[in-house]
Amino acid sequence: ILNVEQSPQSLHVQEGDSTNFTCSFPSSNFYALHWYRWETAKSPEALFVMTLNGDEKKKGRISATLNTKEGYSYLYIKGSQPEDSATYLCAFNPNTGNQFYFGTGTSLTVIP
Amino acid sequence: DAGITQSPRHKVTETGTPVTLRCHQTENHRYMYWYRQDPGHGLRLIHYSYGVKDTDKGEVSDGYSVSRSKTEDFLLTLESATSSQTSVYFCAITEGASGEQFFGPGTRLTVL
Repeated sequence: ILNVEQSPQSLHVQEGDSTNFTCSFPSSNFYALHWYRWETAKSPEALFVMTLNGDEKKKGRISATLNTKEGYSYLYIKGSQPEDSATYLCAFNPNTGNQFYFGTGTSLTVIP
Repeated sequence: DAGITQSPRHKVTETGTPVTLRCHQTENHRYMYWYRQDPGHGLRLIHYSYGVKDTDKGEVSDGYSVSRSKTEDFLLTLESATSSQTSVYFCAITEGASGEQFFGPGTRLTVL
C-alpha cells in the first residue's frame, strides 16, 4: 500500500479568494498523478493527468503543478466561486502496474 | 460520461447474504476497477481487471471476488456480506494512453 497524503483536510474560503492544496506521494516509481473534483452525491470528475516533472496544467481558474523528484503536486484555484465547493482528490499511479492510490481529499467550501 | 452504468444503485441486505454488483461499460475499455468509498479513507481499490478473465487484487480485496467474462461487464461479489462492507461502491474505467479514469454513478450498499 502506497501512502498518498493531501492537505489540508478541509478549507473554508470567501468567494473571490485564491487557494491551494497539496498532494504528497512517493517520489520513486512515478508514472502519473491525477487530480479529481468530487461534488457531493456525484462521481469523481477528472481534472488533470500529470506525467512529467515540472508539468503545469490549467483549466479555467484551476491549475496544477507537479514535482516528481520531491513527490508533491499543488492544485490552485484562482478567485474561488461557490460552485468550486467540492472535495478535490489526487491519485498516484506508479509504474509498477495500473493501480491508482487515492488521497483522502481536501474538502473546499467557498462562502458567498 | 464514458458510458459507465452500475446496478443496482441502492441495495439493503442482511449479514451473511451474497451480493453481486454490476458495472457495465459501452466503449470497450480494457481496464475496469472497483473502489469503495468510506469516510476518512477516500477511495480504496478492491479489485481491477485488465482484460476478459484477467483480474488482480487491490488494497482491500478481502471478502470480495470479481469476474469479467465479457469486456463490457465487471461484477463484484460479496460472498457473505458483513456490516463492515456497508459502503458506496464505485466502478471506474481507464481511458486512453493518459490513464485518465472515469467513474460510474456509484452503488450505495447497506448491510444490516
